[in-house]
Amino acid sequence: KQEVTQIPAALSVPEGENLVLNCSFTDSAIYNLQWFRQDPGKGLTSLLLIQSSQREQTSGRLNASLDKSSGRSTLYIAASQPGDSATYLCAADNYGQNFVFGPGTRLSVLP
Amino acid sequence: GAVVSQHPSWVICKSGTSVKIECRSLDFQATTMFWYRQFPKQSLMLMATSNEGSKATYEQGVEKDKFLINHASLTLSTLTVTSAHPEDSSFYICSAQVGGVSEAFFGQGTRLTVV
Repeated sequence: KQEVTQIPAALSVPEGENLVLNCSFTDSAIYNLQWFRQDPGKGLTSLLLIQSSQREQTSGRLNASLDKSSGRSTLYIAASQPGDSATYLCAADNYGQNFVFGPGTRLSVLP
Repeated sequence: GAVVSQHPSWVICKSGTSVKIECRSLDFQATTMFWYRQFPKQSLMLMATSNEGSKATYEQGVEKDKFLINHASLTLSTLTVTSAHPEDSSFYICSAQVGGVSEAFFGQGTRLTVV
């Protein structure tokens, strides 16, 4: 059974810092891995999707990497801004069966 | 990206009543839709998988008679919480996929409060 964990659970940084969020999964037989952002009381916003054949994806200040063999993915946020404050979730797609979500990392970027 | 619309965004209902939540894929046909539930400060947990034209598959511990799922068309799935109780108060989110194996697109979520 797939299990997804995320470290750290919470992170508080001053504006402008670069930061890394970590995601680990137990079953490497995934179809893809997706990173989401969730603002309080709101739905999910998809940030980046990494297919199993890919190593990384980039969108603006965000870069996500995937290492299936080690069961890890990282989300790198460059030059953080207060507007980046949110909960970041990673989810492993078990070949279309469903997504298994991590518990999330709660990020606060202080102005 | 593709758009999934979920309605209503929030609802307050009395204990014992039923509530229907709709999930629509606006610009694509979703053969598979998923329903998730999120309790405060916890991550999303899958409730059920819905395939168009067939019965939903429920996760262990989810009461199928309480959480009725209907996926009557390729663009609409509904979740009905029957005889709602305060412990059913939660954030419910649907997602839809094209062809079952692809990027997932999520609805905006529905915050249900049962009083």
